[in-house]
Amino acid sequence: NAGVTQTPKFQVLKTGQSMTLQCAQDMNHEYMSWYRQDPGMGLRLIHYSVGAGITDQGEVPNGYNVSRSTTEDFPLRLLSAAPSQTSVYFCASRREGGYTFGSGTRLTVV
Amino acid sequence: KQEVTQIPAALSVPEGENLVLNCSFTDSAIYNLQWFRQDPGKGLTSLLLIQSSQREQTSGRLNASLDKSSGRSTLYIAASQPGDSATYLCAVRPEWGGYSGGGADGLTFGKGTHLIIQP
Repeated sequence: NAGVTQTPKFQVLKTGQSMTLQCAQDMNHEYMSWYRQDPGMGLRLIHYSVGAGITDQGEVPNGYNVSRSTTEDFPLRLLSAAPSQTSVYFCASRREGGYTFGSGTRLTVV
Repeated sequence: KQEVTQIPAALSVPEGENLVLNCSFTDSAIYNLQWFRQDPGKGLTSLLLIQSSQREQTSGRLNASLDKSSGRSTLYIAASQPGDSATYLCAVRPEWGGYSGGGADGLTFGKGTHLIIQP
């Protein structure tokens, strides 16, 4: 099994550009979530999903959109990137047990 | 809002020592608690998962305990080795229905303990 796959691994955006961070899991996990990790702030929950078609906001949802059309995929969209969104983004999934994390996307907004 | 605190923020010890990392959380309505390891520039590796009904879990030289009512967990590392050097993160998942004012899933993380084991 590949586990949780995030693409791309690195990305540089200009302020105002849009992009989608991809997250896919092949473990048939119902629950998925997105986090951002910033120095001094730790990991914070952006959005989560408890199944296909169901999403909800976490601690820091502003500036991000998500959708969950399939069990496997949970993309994170930045509609108009801002320098404050420079961060490392992690996607994670679980079924009944603990969460499994992807390897992350390092995003820089200039 | 759930808050998770990890103490100490950083720790440097010589190889071979036994050590304890601490994690506390403010809302006891948790479903489980998970300890992770993160190496510099890398992702998160799950170490131990403790359900709210459990008192402890063990994996090799690692032992994690949970006292849900007091909002505390500890990670015990026996006979530390230089390869244990990493940042250790504690995270809690809410009971279904979420915390008061919080969400129904996802993890709330502490800021981590940066551990250095000196050879």
